[in-house]
Amino acid sequence: GQQVQQSPASLVLQEGENAELQCNFSSTATQLQWFYQSPGGSLVSLLSNPSGTKHTGRLTSTTVTKERRSSLHISSSQTTDSGTYLCAIDSNSAGNKLTFGIGTRVLVRP
Amino acid sequence: EAAVTQSPRNKVTVTGGNVTLSCRQTNSHNYMYWYRQDTGHGLRLIHYSYGAGNLQIGDVPDGYKATRTTQEDFFLLLELASPSQTSLYFCASSDGGGLEQYFGPGTRLTVL
Repeated sequence: GQQVQQSPASLVLQEGENAELQCNFSSTATQLQWFYQSPGGSLVSLLSNPSGTKHTGRLTSTTVTKERRSSLHISSSQTTDSGTYLCAIDSNSAGNKLTFGIGTRVLVRP
Repeated sequence: EAAVTQSPRNKVTVTGGNVTLSCRQTNSHNYMYWYRQDTGHGLRLIHYSYGAGNLQIGDVPDGYKATRTTQEDFFLLLELASPSQTSLYFCASSDGGGLEQYFGPGTRLTVL
């Protein structure tokens, strides 16, 4: 079945630094979503980006479909960016089911 | 803005107990999903549904039943809860067709 690998597993930043998170997947993705999970557990959809480049606020996602990879760039990190970032893929499955990576845990220090 | 709500937000029960987790979406979406999240695993799909009365098996269905009573409401049933079902449960909805999924706030279930 579909596999989703995220790297790095964890990351420590100084406030103001940039970061790049990676997501690699084993099958062609028809849908790709990046999520933010707060330390309390709530899940927020950040970007839906199955191909190309998308921006929202300080976040930029670039997905290269042929190479089965996506990145999430965080610019000018803030302490409120601390949490876990999850990548999820749908490979045109029946039911449009998402397969999730384990995530990248980000800590931004003041 | 898509809206998915879950109740309860936290639940503690004992082994062998009967638990129902509720999810409601007000997006008029056809698809609804139940996931669980455990340390060391990504979110894993338990059951999903295409519409009222429909139920499909996900990747980790053992020990769970589900029922979609209306387009808005999707329930996850644990009839004999076990400690291995201690987890964070998420409900989601989508319009299918590769469109994005919208998630609820999660229910933290502890089985003692």
